[in-house]
Amino acid sequence: QPVLTQSSSASASLGSSVKLTCTLSSGHSSYIIAWHQQQSGKAPRYLMKLESSGSYNKGSGVPDRFSGSSSGADRYLTISNLQSEDEADYYCETWDSNTVKVFGTGTKVTVL
Amino acid sequence: EVQLLESGGGLVQPGGSLRLSCAASGFTFSTYAMTWVRQAPGKGLEWVSVISAGDNSTYYADSVKGRFTISRDNSKNTLYLQMNSLRAEDTAVYYCAKERQQKTSTLDYWGQGTLVTVSS
Repeated sequence: QPVLTQSSSASASLGSSVKLTCTLSSGHSSYIIAWHQQQSGKAPRYLMKLESSGSYNKGSGVPDRFSGSSSGADRYLTISNLQSEDEADYYCETWDSNTVKVFGTGTKVTVL
Repeated sequence: EVQLLESGGGLVQPGGSLRLSCAASGFTFSTYAMTWVRQAPGKGLEWVSVISAGDNSTYYADSVKGRFTISRDNSKNTLYLQMNSLRAEDTAVYYCAKERQQKTSTLDYWGQGTLVTVSS
């Protein structure tokens, strides 16, 4: 089954940009993933589905400053014009043909 | 507007049972797979189980296989998770979530969660 690797933390200044990475394990570089945001004390929120081509499909109400891209086994989430409300944990998610669902360990984003 | 509302959480002793419910609205419930995900205190997200639409195929994480049962009642737009032989390590917030397709794919909506505490 696929494994998703994420950095534990990232930080950037208010109004700047931050790029988060989710890396698929060997043999799974073509997999579709999703990005989810979880603010402190709240339920996760779906941000986007991201394909290996870099094409992405955002959820309802997700601001334009959230975008996705891909390169090989890496899937990226870029947050531009960082706002205080973007301080949260960000998880990537995928699944395989055996219907097992996998989450990354999450990246905690701090807005400086 | 899609809404998922979990209920049924609470405090239960080790070895006990609990049934979680998730009431769905705002979409055609019967045509989408549904999933349970849990999050232990201070930890990340852990997939628990999924049930497909149509054939109602079910799949479980190894950590809950044989103890938990997922089911759905399309006439009531409700998803269930029957949890038996509960252990301390099952303590977590349990979220129901909607899949994007009839079978497992990616999640696109989440409920607000219900807390399950397993303790004597």
